[in-house]
Amino acid sequence: EPEVTQTPSHQVTQMGQEVILRCVPISNHLYFYWYRQILGQKVEFLVSFYNNEISEKSEIFDDQFSVERPDGSNFTLKIRSTKLEDSAMYFCASSEEGQGRTEAFFGQGTRLTVV
Amino acid sequence: KNQVEQSPQSLIILEGKNCTLQCNYTVSPFSNLRWYKQDTGRGPVSLTIMTFSENTKSNGRYTATLDADTKQSSLHITASQLSDSASYICVVANTGNQFYFGTGTSLTVIP
Repeated sequence: EPEVTQTPSHQVTQMGQEVILRCVPISNHLYFYWYRQILGQKVEFLVSFYNNEISEKSEIFDDQFSVERPDGSNFTLKIRSTKLEDSAMYFCASSEEGQGRTEAFFGQGTRLTVV
Repeated sequence: KNQVEQSPQSLIILEGKNCTLQCNYTVSPFSNLRWYKQDTGRGPVSLTIMTFSENTKSNGRYTATLDADTKQSSLHITASQLSDSASYICVVANTGNQFYFGTGTSLTVIP
């Protein structure tokens, strides 16, 4: 069964450093998403991406964050100058269609720890 | 304000018993409502998706209901199994493709 894969599974970084979280969405999917989940809290929407551009973003997704689809398969989330409060589980998801018409499949997540 | 509230926050049931989880939302304009199962440290896995016109949908032992008038949904789990122990998350999407997550109900099934 096709799945969304994320790497690395766990990343530890020093405050102020840049990190890139990587995702390989399901191959025929056109819509891509990043979410985060701070430990013990609910999952929060960060950004959606379609046709090589951001289609929606939340208040959390400020200038510190950027997304990119550098080639035909990868979808990345870059966090510049990480802060302690960026420590969270980051989930990538993809779907065939937008507007919530089809199921969104989530990856296993990358646990980011900022020290 | 767009919010999704779930109850109870946590639930412990005996293996084989049924249970019902609740979700109330204020998300507008409404597009669809999903229930996800999330095992600890893993990504959410979709159980059901319901649009405005659907008021019940089943997936095996999971049955979701939706009342779009009262903005309430429930997830009923029949004949629970130990593997059902997880967090169950209600997610509501608006027509702008933004997803709003509830805080989840933590279900523990004990033998």
